[in-house]
Amino acid sequence: DARVTQTPRHKVTEMGQEVTMRCQPILGHNTVFWYRQTMMQGLELLAYFRNRAPLDDSGMPKDRFSAEMPDATLATLKIQPSEPRDSAVYFCASGWATQETQYFGPGTRLLVL
Amino acid sequence: QQQVKQSPQSLIVQKGGISIINCAYENTAFDYFPWYQQFPGKGPALLIAIRPDVSEKKEGRFTISFNKSAKQFSLHIMDSQPGDSATYFCAASTQQGGSEKLVFGKGTKLTVNP
Repeated sequence: DARVTQTPRHKVTEMGQEVTMRCQPILGHNTVFWYRQTMMQGLELLAYFRNRAPLDDSGMPKDRFSAEMPDATLATLKIQPSEPRDSAVYFCASGWATQETQYFGPGTRLLVL
Repeated sequence: QQQVKQSPQSLIVQKGGISIINCAYENTAFDYFPWYQQFPGKGPALLIAIRPDVSEKKEGRFTISFNKSAKQFSLHIMDSQPGDSATYFCAASTQQGGSEKLVFGKGTKLTVNP
């Protein structure tokens, strides 16, 4: 049963600390998405990659957020330095293209104190 | 123009009833309209999707109705069951402009009472 995995599932950290979230997309999928979910803003696309190349990161605060795909089996989202307003659930999703099914991971619930 | 407006924010339905969730959009370039279902503590999962060349798509108890001229689409859940209690998100995307972002509505929390 292929699925997207994300680590850690929960993270509590203090303001100013670096946070790294990891995602393993479904084997064979060539597109990876990072979303942030909050009560106020809902689901927002932060960035997405196709064949490991970044296609759109316009939804991501560039000064503190960075997203990479070191290889086809790993995507990372880093926040440095973290701020309380970054508290949210971060989802990774993978698929073949935006207009095909996106398979979401279970999310990383981040709390920045 | 990139927004998708979803209503209602929450919905309570009795078991066996019909649940209806509505979405509206402005960008006429949108050409793919999926609905995602999310249970607490889980990631969203694709429920059903439609493209604007058809006005309706049905999969089991779930139906999408699409009105291109009104720029609206809706999800109907027939014979709603307690297991359908979840948050539902409509979304839209276009392949024009080089970015294929999926834009989500704010979500509707559905509660189906037994």
